[in-house]
Amino acid sequence: KQEVTQIPAALSVPEGENLVLNCSFTDSAIYNLQWFRQDPGKGLTSLLLIQSSQREQTSGRLNASLDKSSGRSTLYIAASQPGDSATYLCAVRPRSGGYQKVTFGTGTKLQVIP
Amino acid sequence: DAGVTQSPTHLIKTRGQQVTLRCSPKSGHDTVSWYQQALGQGPQFIFQYYEEEERQRGNFPDRFSGHQYPNYSSELNVNALLLGDSALYLCASSFPTGEAFFGQGTRLTVV
Repeated sequence: KQEVTQIPAALSVPEGENLVLNCSFTDSAIYNLQWFRQDPGKGLTSLLLIQSSQREQTSGRLNASLDKSSGRSTLYIAASQPGDSATYLCAVRPRSGGYQKVTFGTGTKLQVIP
Repeated sequence: DAGVTQSPTHLIKTRGQQVTLRCSPKSGHDTVSWYQQALGQGPQFIFQYYEEEERQRGNFPDRFSGHQYPNYSSELNVNALLLGDSALYLCASSFPTGEAFFGQGTRLTVV
């Protein structure tokens, strides 16, 4: 059974700081890994999707890396802004062909202080 | 292009009642997955529908059932509601192996 862990559970940083969020998973047989942002009481917004054959993806100030062999992914946020405050979730889709079910971590709650 | 839309946004039900939640997928997507997210937790996979059939199911009791229509829209039904069913219910649409796009969720409160 796939288990996804995100550490730390919460993080508070001053505005402008670069930061890294961590995601680890127990089963390396994945199809892809996706990072999401969730604002309080809201749905999930997709940030980056990394296919199992890829090592990283970038979008603006965000960069996500994937190391399947070690079961780790990181989300790097450059020059953090108060608007980045949210919970960040990673989700792993298994490589089982056909119709898969995704396993989520419990998230890292980020607060960026002005 | 409308993204994934869910209705209603909020719902209050009494224990023992039944509830139906609705989801319209993003245009062009044919696969719908449902998730339950308890407060402070990550979403938990309930089930996935493709070609009007349930294809995958998570560890949820039979009180949770669903349906997918020919236009790919989907419903989640929960019978005999328990207090523990209170959660944010999220719908995601995709192609079977593609990137998932989520709706804003339905907040269900069982009293």
